[in-house]
Amino acid sequence: DQQVKQNSPSLSVQEGRISILNCDYTNSMFDYFLWYKKYPAEGPTFLISISSIKDKNEDGRFTVFLNKSAKHLSLHIVPSQPGDSAVYFCAASAVSGAQKLVFGQGTRLTINP
Amino acid sequence: EPEVTQTPSHQVTQMGQEVILRCVPISNHLYFYWYRQILGQKVEFLVSFYNNEISEKSEIFDDQFSVERPDGSNFTLKIRSTKLEDSAMYFCASTEEGAGQPQHFGDGTRLSIL
Repeated sequence: DQQVKQNSPSLSVQEGRISILNCDYTNSMFDYFLWYKKYPAEGPTFLISISSIKDKNEDGRFTVFLNKSAKHLSLHIVPSQPGDSAVYFCAASAVSGAQKLVFGQGTRLTINP
Repeated sequence: EPEVTQTPSHQVTQMGQEVILRCVPISNHLYFYWYRQILGQKVEFLVSFYNNEISEKSEIFDDQFSVERPDGSNFTLKIRSTKLEDSAMYFCASTEEGAGQPQHFGDGTRLSIL
């Protein structure tokens, strides 16, 4: 099941710079997209979401961009901080029905001081 | 901030035994979910529950699995006869009613089948 893909298993970024995490999807029925952050031994923590009627959503240091024609979304974190080091999951759902989430494989982000 | 709580944090069980994983969703949430993550793999949807019944289930959620909301606060996942391949992290999630609401996850139960 490759409906949601995060092609970069890991990313290393200097503190203070921009982190960009990418995600691709294949299912045209998806209309709601989310990013979660996960620390070891904890559950996924919701970060930010975007519906398919928008192409950008911003919350503090986090911005999510959605390109529907390319079926691509990205998460920008600026400026990156050491506490941002975690695994980031992209997830998607169809708003109708049970709204189950389909997750990507995750990208491990490391912020270097 | 309200949170989803799961117990136990780690469960070790002999193959063939029954196991019950427990979750207390956020109190005003109406949709409940179970997901699992086998080591090194993606987080996978198991089942969703709304209005005291299953609204959707995945192929993984076979007859060995069941869910229940026995009272107003708990949401449980039962595996009737565990197999080695059931070893995974099991996450409970809940969300408010309405389109486009994020799911909030508990910290998971690590299930180890021996």
